[in-house]
Amino acid sequence: EDQVTQSPEALRLQEGESSSLNCSYTVSGLRGLFWYRQDPGKGPEFLFTLYSAGEEKEKERLKATLTKKESFLHITAPKPEDSATYLCAAGGKLIFGQGTELSVKP
Amino acid sequence: EAQVTQNPRYLITVTGKKLTVTCSQNMNHEYMSWYRQDPGLGLRQIYYSMNVEVTDKGDVPEGYKVSRKEKRNFPLILESPSPNQTSLYFCASSFWIAGGPRETQYFGPGTRLLVL
Repeated sequence: EDQVTQSPEALRLQEGESSSLNCSYTVSGLRGLFWYRQDPGKGPEFLFTLYSAGEEKEKERLKATLTKKESFLHITAPKPEDSATYLCAAGGKLIFGQGTELSVKP
Repeated sequence: EAQVTQNPRYLITVTGKKLTVTCSQNMNHEYMSWYRQDPGLGLRQIYYSMNVEVTDKGDVPEGYKVSRKEKRNFPLILESPSPNQTSLYFCASSFWIAGGPRETQYFGPGTRLLVL
């Protein structure tokens, strides 16, 4: 059964404290691993797509990496405006993980 | 501006009263889908459509209907809503390439539904 699992469920950081979010997946026919950001009461906003193991993509303080079984979203020197829920999704039909709620305190 | 719009944004209804949530996109995307989002369960796909007149069930289709008569519109129909359909609903669209949604899926702003 296709499955996407994110950890931790919630993460609290101080401003400037770097960390990583994990997304583990077991899907048949991976057609990309997607990362989204979701602010409260809003729809998910696309961040990255990764297609093959070893691939990396960066955007401002965020960097996404991919292995054959998991993806990491690294957050370097986060700011309060990075606070949001981060979702990953995988598979041809896009199975979503439950998300990691990130809170960055000043 | 590229966008996915949903209406209404908020809806309170009673059990059994048929309702339709509209979804429209202006990006000429082939692929459109509906999700529901519930605490602790994440985003789950209800139905999706690869193109006009082509739809298929997602993971939680029971109690829902969809139609795709035009490329830009993908309404979600609840013919007899029940309290367990109280949820936050999102419509999404993207291009369709090689059997899967292509890269970016654009999501609508969401429709919060309460069924009493």
